[in-house]
Amino acid sequence: ETGVTQSPTHLIKTRGQQVTLRCSSQSGHNTVSWYQQALGQGPQFIFQYYREEENGRGNFPPRFSGLQFPNYSSELNVNALELDDSALYLCASSLRGTDYEQYFGPGTRLTVT
Amino acid sequence: GQSLEQPSEVTAVEGAIVQINCTYQTSGFYGLSWYQQHDGGAPTFLSYNALDGLEETGRFSSFLSRSDSYGYLLLQELQMKDSASYFCAVKDDYKLSFGAGTTVTVRA
Repeated sequence: ETGVTQSPTHLIKTRGQQVTLRCSSQSGHNTVSWYQQALGQGPQFIFQYYREEENGRGNFPPRFSGLQFPNYSSELNVNALELDDSALYLCASSLRGTDYEQYFGPGTRLTVT
Repeated sequence: GQSLEQPSEVTAVEGAIVQINCTYQTSGFYGLSWYQQHDGGAPTFLSYNALDGLEETGRFSSFLSRSDSYGYLLLQELQMKDSASYFCAVKDDYKLSFGAGTTVTVRA
């Protein structure tokens, strides 16, 4: 059984740039959620994808967008980066209906300068 | 929206028992999950309560009272490896909303 993987591990971008983060779900999982975690805080829900459709969204602006592919892997895209976007971005996969139990990847540490 | 409160820090000695309380206010509630996150690591699932009562999983137990909008995570026989951040998270129809986390430090 393959766990959740994310790439890249670390990333440094300049304000105004765009970034794409990638996630591979755990084998057999059909739902993927993305979270932003600032230092010393809990993960904040960005959005969830199920069957390649956005299934729900947190309080994040439209410049945060995503995709889910037929193999359940996923991308998070952030446009027009701001300094406050600096955070750990976590991807989590789960099974629809039991998504109280999510399996998290190691995260991508994004720094915006 | 959702609002969760949990203590920011708890310190205890090896072998002790620690209880982490979580109170929540939410517009939709399916259940309460608990996650553990070691420094620099990914959150890992510990337990889930959808109904009132106590769920026991080894040294960890979790409790929920829906009428009081309250739950707790009980860590027994504390070990050094239990030093980590612990998050409660409310499950609504499509997402988990996490608290700010409780940092547990275990001392020898």
